[in-house]
Amino acid sequence: AQKITQTQPGMFVQEKEAVTLDCTYDTSDPSYGLFWYKQPSSGEMIFLIYQGSYDQQNATEGRYSLNFQKARKSANLVISASQLGDSAMYFCAMREGKTSYDKVIFGPGTSLSVIP
Amino acid sequence: EAGVTQFPSHSVIEKGQTVTLRCDPISGHDNLYWYRRVMGKEIKFLLHFVKESKQDESGMPNNRFLAERTGGTYSTLKVQPAELEDSGVYFCASSQGGKASYEQYFGPGTRLTVT
Repeated sequence: AQKITQTQPGMFVQEKEAVTLDCTYDTSDPSYGLFWYKQPSSGEMIFLIYQGSYDQQNATEGRYSLNFQKARKSANLVISASQLGDSAMYFCAMREGKTSYDKVIFGPGTSLSVIP
Repeated sequence: EAGVTQFPSHSVIEKGQTVTLRCDPISGHDNLYWYRRVMGKEIKFLLHFVKESKQDESGMPNNRFLAERTGGTYSTLKVQPAELEDSGVYFCASSQGGKASYEQYFGPGTRLTVT
């Protein structure tokens, strides 16, 4: 069964607008963490943001915020004020467990294109 | 501080040949992961080392793939013999040991083409 689902293969957003990239996950472990990574066309994977299952507040990092809805098992990434450089693949990932010694699995990704 | 490095950046081999990919993690990172992305599909987990031990190798496709991490430093991933379906981009990542919030740092990947 898919642990991480990203239902939007591709998304378009106008420059300076906000965009939400969906991510739902499946786990029975009460301790887990969710990550978002960005992969531009150059190929490198860039860490964006992290949300722990016990975190009380939604994570934010600059223009990135995570809309964490635990009961719905969703961890959507919100990018505010989109820029042309935000065009990339975005991957949602999950680590089950309490430490970094647990593996991380990735979703299929969403391709975001920012239109000038 | 140097990031995660991978060598080679690109390898083209014929079916049946052997290829060895190398990953040098960030110094001091206990965790080292191998992933593969095939034909623009999802990033598939292959295996995870904690120091020199294989913590989880559930993602290794078959016994043609052999990963090692001698001394808990760099890692190699050998494919022998290579098949056409092994083509893809192989990513290595490392992370500190400890907190679950520690993110993974990825290398630039090795693009493997099997012809």
